[in-house]
Amino acid sequence: EPEVTQTPSHQVTQMGQEVILRCVPISNHLYFYWYRQILGQKVEFLVSFYNNEISEKSEIFDDQFSVERPDGSNFTLKIRSTKLEDSAMYFCASEWGEGFTVNSPLHFGNGTRLTVT
Amino acid sequence: LAKTTQPISMDSYEGQEVNITCSHNNIATNDYITWYQQFPSQGPRFIIQGYKTKVTNEVASLFIPADRKSSTLSLPRVSLSDTAVYYCLPLSANDKLIFGTGTRLQVFP
Repeated sequence: EPEVTQTPSHQVTQMGQEVILRCVPISNHLYFYWYRQILGQKVEFLVSFYNNEISEKSEIFDDQFSVERPDGSNFTLKIRSTKLEDSAMYFCASEWGEGFTVNSPLHFGNGTRLTVT
Repeated sequence: LAKTTQPISMDSYEGQEVNITCSHNNIATNDYITWYQQFPSQGPRFIIQGYKTKVTNEVASLFIPADRKSSTLSLPRVSLSDTAVYYCLPLSANDKLIFGTGTRLQVFP
């Protein structure tokens, strides 16, 4: 069964550094998402992406965050200047269907654990 | 936004059937109901979705009454590996993006 893959599985960085988290969505999927989960807390939506642009973003997704689909297969999340509170699991997800209004499930990767020291 | 309410936690023993009920009183007419499972340090995994009545797959069954204000995920004969957090999510604009706290199921031997 095709799956969403994320790299690296664990990233340690110093406060203020830039990080790029990478995702390879399922190949025929059209909609892409980033979520995060701080240890012991809820899974939180960050951003959705379709047709090479952001469809929706949450309050968490501020100017320090950006997303890109540079080559038609990878989907990346960049944090420009990491803060301690950015430490979390970051999950990428993809979906085949027409986004929010069509009943197609999201397929999640197993996440990147980001630790900011 | 359709708000969902689930029990925070449930305990069960291996071999038992587990039913987790989710309330979604103001679900929209066209929304489906979807359930996800999450193991520690893994991403949520889609289990099942339905619109009305009963849906069954190799993993679980989903019961949705006619008024669609609630749904019940049924896991037959649970094993230790079913210990996880289970989330109920109505599928609609915005709602499908919002995970609640889910139900933490602990299965004991």
